[in-house]
This record gives sequence, C-alpha cells and structure tokens, in this order.
Amino acid sequence: DQQVKQNSPSLSVQEGRISILNCDYTNSMFDYFLWYKKYPAEGPTFLISISSIKDKNEDGRFTVFLNKSAKHLSLHIVPSQPGDSAVYFCAASRRGGGADGLTFGKGTHLIIQP
Amino acid sequence: NAGVTQTPKFQVLKTGQSMTLQCAQDMNHEYMSWYRQDPGMGLRLIHYSVGAGITDQGEVPNGYNVSRSTTEDFPLRLLSAAPSQTSVYFCASSYSKQGNYEQYFGPGTRLTVT
Repeated sequence: DQQVKQNSPSLSVQEGRISILNCDYTNSMFDYFLWYKKYPAEGPTFLISISSIKDKNEDGRFTVFLNKSAKHLSLHIVPSQPGDSAVYFCAASRRGGGADGLTFGKGTHLIIQP
Repeated sequence: NAGVTQTPKFQVLKTGQSMTLQCAQDMNHEYMSWYRQDPGMGLRLIHYSVGAGITDQGEVPNGYNVSRSTTEDFPLRLLSAAPSQTSVYFCASSYSKQGNYEQYFGPGTRLTVT
C-alpha cells in the first residue's frame, strides 16, 4: 500500500513557464514533507521541505504548498529552466531529520522544453 | 567535508555470495539510513539507525543486516545475494535540529546479482 503517491510519471513544461508537481499521502502520522531532485547515476539532492504546521514554504524559484486536510502537497517551480529537467521525488517522515527514514513516492520525470 | 561516501560504486555478485556495502559520513550526523531504488520505483527504506549501537528495520529489510558501531559508519551486509537484490543502493544521513528535516544522500552503489 503506497503511503506517498505521485500520480504523474512525467511532465513536460516549456522553459520559462511554471512547473507544478503533485503528491498525495495517506498516512496522517506524517509531519514533515520534502522534495528531492535526482539526476541519473547520482544520489537525490534536497530541494525544499515543509512541516505540517505550515501551508507554504518558499525558497527562490521553488515553493511547496501543503493542504493537510486533503493530504496533498505540490511543488511549484517558477520560472522553469532547462537545468530543472530531472526526476522529482516527494518524501514524507514522521520525525524531524527523517530519524526513522523517509517514505518516497515513485517520482515524476520533469522535462523542460526549450 | 566529503559528506556521505559509498563504496563500491559498482558491484557484480553471483547468487549466494555475500558482501558489505560501505557507507561513511563526516558530518557527525546521528541518523543514518539505507534505501534501495528499483526501476520505476521510489526509494524504499531498508534499515535505519538513530545513533551508534541502535538500528531498526525499514520497509524492505529481508536479506540485509546492518550494524552501527561508530557514528561515522553504517555498513549494509547482504548475507546471501539473490537476483531480487539487484538494485541501486543509497545511504543517507541527517541530524536532529529545530527546523531541519532533510537527509543527505550518497552517490549510490549499483549492484547486480546474476
């Protein structure tokens, strides 16, 4: 039973436009949510996170929105750039710092078209 | 800081062989975790540790052993390799601090079991 779901395996966006990646979760014990970016043959790199006491967190071009009642979060990238092409993973944890590990979605492959 | 290092980068094993995947971090992080990533899947938690001498099972622990004798090292042992353990393995570390939620990932070990 998948506790973190990313229902779009891929997403294609034009350079300069907004990219919106979505994620749903089922476990109400999750309190921390993270987005990671991954290039082939590399480890995931952290992008942005949010705790369940907030509904929005912004860092430069990246904004994460959390709708706790709907158990849904989204990552907005504005404006999208060619270097943003990668696989994006949504992850969740019950404890800060991922002390008991992270639960990941299957990922969304974002393709930025020139 | 080297961050999180993993060795080897690549490994080919025959069914039934045993081996140890090494993971080390030089950031004095308390928390460490092991994940595996299979094609089309997100990362799945194998084992994790919240400190030296303390380990616990994640989502997919069968066939793997871990120990944590020092803060820096968290080796993953495959007791008797099976083709189903063909995967890319990632080690991660993190720390407990107010406002920190992320885990830092190593570059991964690609394991093939024939």
